[in-house]
Amino acid sequence: KNQVEQSPQSLIILEGKNCTLQCNYTVSPFSNLRWYKQDTGRGPVSLTIMTFSENTKSNGRYTATLDADTKQSSLHITASQLSDSASYICVICDRGSTLGRLYFGRGTQLTVWP
Amino acid sequence: EADIYQTPRYLVIGTGKKITLECSQTMGHDKMYWYQQDPGMELHLIHYSYGVNSTEKGDLSSESTVSRIRTEHFPLTLESARPSHTSQYLCASSEGTSTSEQYFGPGTRLTVT
Repeated sequence: KNQVEQSPQSLIILEGKNCTLQCNYTVSPFSNLRWYKQDTGRGPVSLTIMTFSENTKSNGRYTATLDADTKQSSLHITASQLSDSASYICVICDRGSTLGRLYFGRGTQLTVWP
Repeated sequence: EADIYQTPRYLVIGTGKKITLECSQTMGHDKMYWYQQDPGMELHLIHYSYGVNSTEKGDLSSESTVSRIRTEHFPLTLESARPSHTSQYLCASSEGTSTSEQYFGPGTRLTVT
């Protein structure tokens, strides 16, 4: 069973609308939680990195929240644009390894329509 | 934009051929990684390196091999490609600490016919 579960699996919204993506995880202990954006056929690009002590972090129109008690995170996208169409991946960095092992979710495929 | 490069971007090759996927980074990062990703699925770590002359196998068993002779270069080789090797291969690098951000290359989409 994957230790990082994301929902919804896919989402379609109209340009200009807001949306929220969810991430539930079981990885423990962890050093940080990351959200990546992956365009089709490209490598993931980091949007935010949050330590377990942070509750919220913003990067432009992207705002990530973290509840370490319930092991949940969300990514809120404000005023969506066509270029936001991509897969959004929740990633947990394991604190217990020297490698900094990453646990990946399967992503939420977001499509923004004009 | 991260300075990490992968070539080729796309490769279609017949069964039994030997292939090498190239990965280079200009950031001077010690750690480098290879991931495999199938459509709609999560990334799986197949190889990693802590630095020159260091290579380790990841969580997902892979018939590929890697080498790390230079800091900036981390090629992946398949001695005899099979259709089951069809996938996207992503290279990444990071600084030395365990919590450092990983920067990903654009990936190589491999199709074995």
